[in-house]
Amino acid sequence: AQKITQTQPGMFVQEKEAVTLDCTYDTSDPSYGLFWYKQPSSGEMIFLIYQGSYDQQNATEGRYSLNFQKARKSANLVISASQLGDSAMYFCAMREGRGLTGGGNKLTFGTGTQLKVEL
Amino acid sequence: DTGVSQDPRHKITKRGQNVTFRCDPISEHNRLYWYRQTLGQGPEFLTYFQNEAQLEKSRLLSDRFSAERPKGSFSTLEIQRTEQGDSAMYLCASSPGQRTLEGTQYFGPGTRLLVL
Repeated sequence: AQKITQTQPGMFVQEKEAVTLDCTYDTSDPSYGLFWYKQPSSGEMIFLIYQGSYDQQNATEGRYSLNFQKARKSANLVISASQLGDSAMYFCAMREGRGLTGGGNKLTFGTGTQLKVEL
Repeated sequence: DTGVSQDPRHKITKRGQNVTFRCDPISEHNRLYWYRQTLGQGPEFLTYFQNEAQLEKSRLLSDRFSAERPKGSFSTLEIQRTEQGDSAMYLCASSPGQRTLEGTQYFGPGTRLLVL
């Protein structure tokens, strides 16, 4: 089974509108972390936002927020007030385990969603 | 604030040649990771170092691949006898050991490898 599923290969959004990028995950580990990264055409992966499995509140970081629904195993990224510069590939990733000791540090990524912001 | 750097950014080689990539992590980060990304896919984990110790290797890392981090600072990834299937983006990431955002990984710009 896929550990991270991103079902939207491509999304379009109008400038200044909000957009939600979907991510569902699969793990039996009670402790895990969920991350979103942005990858522009230049190739660099840019960290956007993090949500821990024990966090009570949804993470927010500027125009980015993470809609974390633990029971549904979903961690959707919401981008508010889209800008042309938001056009990029977006990846959801998961780290299983606490990530502080030897094991469980690797990230497992989804296949990504290509976001295009239009005027 | 210096981020993760990788060298070279692009590499074209002929099948059968050896190639070596270098990664310099963020200076205070003791963890370093290598990933490979093929076209249309998300990055896939290859290997992970904590200081100079290589603690985990993926099954993707065949015998032709070797990674080192001799002094716990920069790391090298070598591919011997390259094959066309090795063509990909090779990404390096680093993270702090402290409990900061549970070890968020920060990525470098990547090295694009093309094997002809």
